[in-house]
Amino acid sequence: DQQVKQNSPSLSVQEGRISILNCDYTNSMFDYFLWYKKYPAEGPTFLISISSIKDKNEDGRFTVFLNKSAKHLSLHIVPSQPGDSAVYFCAASGDSWGKLQFGSGTQVVVTP
Amino acid sequence: EADIYQTPRYLVIGTGKKITLECSQTMGHDKMYWYQQDPGMELHLIHYSYGVNSTEKGDLSSESTVSRIRTEHFPLTLESARPSHTSQYLCASSPNLPTRHEQFFGPGTRLTVL
Repeated sequence: DQQVKQNSPSLSVQEGRISILNCDYTNSMFDYFLWYKKYPAEGPTFLISISSIKDKNEDGRFTVFLNKSAKHLSLHIVPSQPGDSAVYFCAASGDSWGKLQFGSGTQVVVTP
Repeated sequence: EADIYQTPRYLVIGTGKKITLECSQTMGHDKMYWYQQDPGMELHLIHYSYGVNSTEKGDLSSESTVSRIRTEHFPLTLESARPSHTSQYLCASSPNLPTRHEQFFGPGTRLTVL
């Protein structure tokens, strides 16, 4: 049973606008959440993370929001750039060993 | 920036062959992981290690095996490759920090078994 879900397989956004990616989880034991970006034929690259003691974390153009009561997190990218076109994976961890559960990814296409 | 390497990047091989996918990291990370990923799907953890001589099976059952004789090296072996093993294999490592769980990934090996 998939514990981390990204229900939008794809997202198209204009350059300069905001990209909003969503992720839902079912396991209430998850206490650390991450976003990764992946280009074809490459490994995922870590983008940003958030601990469950926070509800927002910001790093440059990337902001992650966590709503624990709804078991939902989102990634905002603003402004979107053509180089942001990639697959974005949401991941969650709930044990001290740091094992991650991944969502199935959202393909983002940024158009000029 | 993480330095983690995987070889080969691409491998096309016939059924029944034995293969070893190499993974090395230069950060001195204790934790290392192997994931399997198919297009449009999530990454599935197949093996992990918390240090030398420590290996565990992940959430997804796999016919592959791993070893961890040195901190920096975590190879994955398939004794007899089959077409069902066709996939992308991703290696990752992370430092042993209890409050942070970022994993750093290698570039992956795209395996095709004919």
